[in-house]
Amino acid sequence: GENVEQHPSTLSVQEGDSAVIKCTYSDSASNYFPWYKQELGKRPQLIIDIRSNVGEKKDQRIAVTLNKTAKHFSLHITETQPEDSAVYFCAAANFGNEKLTFGTGTRLTIIP
Amino acid sequence: ETGVTQTPRHLVMGMTNKKSLKCEQHLGHNAMYWYKQSAKKPLELMFVYNFKEQTENNSVPSRFSPECPNSSHLFLHLHTLQPEDSALYLCASSQDHGNYGYTFGSGTRLTVV
Repeated sequence: GENVEQHPSTLSVQEGDSAVIKCTYSDSASNYFPWYKQELGKRPQLIIDIRSNVGEKKDQRIAVTLNKTAKHFSLHITETQPEDSAVYFCAAANFGNEKLTFGTGTRLTIIP
Repeated sequence: ETGVTQTPRHLVMGMTNKKSLKCEQHLGHNAMYWYKQSAKKPLELMFVYNFKEQTENNSVPSRFSPECPNSSHLFLHLHTLQPEDSALYLCASSQDHGNYGYTFGSGTRLTVV
């Protein structure tokens, strides 16, 4: 089955700086890679996703890059703000799977 | 609300009690999921239902019993739980198979005493 590893487990960055979270996956058939943000005491929310037919996707301050050859994908947050503080989860799935496989999460703290 | 509603939001139960968690989605999704979230294993898949048929049981102890009467409703029946079962239980739904984004409910915070 799929195995997703996520690094780092904790990350602190100064407000205004960029943050990068990386994930690797094991199943070369995986073709869908979402990212979720979970604020303290709240539910995980989908913030961006990418499919394997593209290498990069951007939405305002958030971007995701995918390297299919190396089987890794990354979340990039630029111009970080205090409200970006949360736990971020990556995930992977392929068509035909009936579940997402999640990474173990990264706790991001933005320092004012 | 996100379209996925979980009740109750908080539950405290003794080890001999029987209780049920409820999840309801109004998104027209066909797949529903139960996840357990605790400090040690952040997002642990428990059960998967697709078109109200159970398609995965991720080696979950029998003291957890899921029920999916239709594509919009999902239950998790609990009995004789252990203190280590205390966690946040999240329900999610997706349009179809796993390669669509999940919509999560707000979860039920369960404490077993």
